[in-house]
Amino acid sequence: SAVISQKPSRDICQRGTSLTIQCQVDSQVTMMFWYRQQPGQSLTLIATANQGSEATYESGFVIDKFPISRPNLTFSTLTVSNMSPEDSSIYLCSGWARNYGYTFGSGTRLTVV
Amino acid sequence: DAKTTQPPSMDCAEGRAANLPCNHSTISGNEYVYWYRQIHSQGPQYIIHGLKNNETNEMASLIITEDRKSSTLILPHATLRDTAVYYCIATGIYGNKLVFGAGTILRVKS
Repeated sequence: SAVISQKPSRDICQRGTSLTIQCQVDSQVTMMFWYRQQPGQSLTLIATANQGSEATYESGFVIDKFPISRPNLTFSTLTVSNMSPEDSSIYLCSGWARNYGYTFGSGTRLTVV
Repeated sequence: DAKTTQPPSMDCAEGRAANLPCNHSTISGNEYVYWYRQIHSQGPQYIIHGLKNNETNEMASLIITEDRKSSTLILPHATLRDTAVYYCIATGIYGNKLVFGAGTILRVKS
């Protein structure tokens, strides 16, 4: 299966600032997804990252708050903008390819103070 | 994507088989059943998936009922390291988004 390197693994940020999370895949994936996991909760899909076009956001998530880039088939970023303590969560990326299905990054644990 | 329901938690004795049920009564004909697990908030780990036939790999077995409305994940000899949250997901196979439910917390006890 593909391996996804996700950075940073954790960060502590001041409210009002922004953090960009990167996911690098060791092989091409057709689809990439971004999830949020709040403390003690399941994973919630934020958006599907589309190569070369705007991401497709799920209900409750907007581009101004969570801008996403996907310049090629192996890389994507998620920015958490104008952070507040409510944004403290684990953020995960995922990739899908026909050859090996879905794989996940190890997550970014974000704490906003 | 079909909604799935799972029991919130289960206990299993170490060395015994763990049988985790999942209900997916609204699954459509082209949707697969996927199982993932998550240990200590790490990224979800793929376990197994299937369409309508029973499946087995080195980690687990998946039993899908004939009407496809439910399935059971079987860990044949559970160990303490199998303690995790297990998620059952029904989705199309070609890159559809995975929608996670609440999952089942499996506690393997010595």
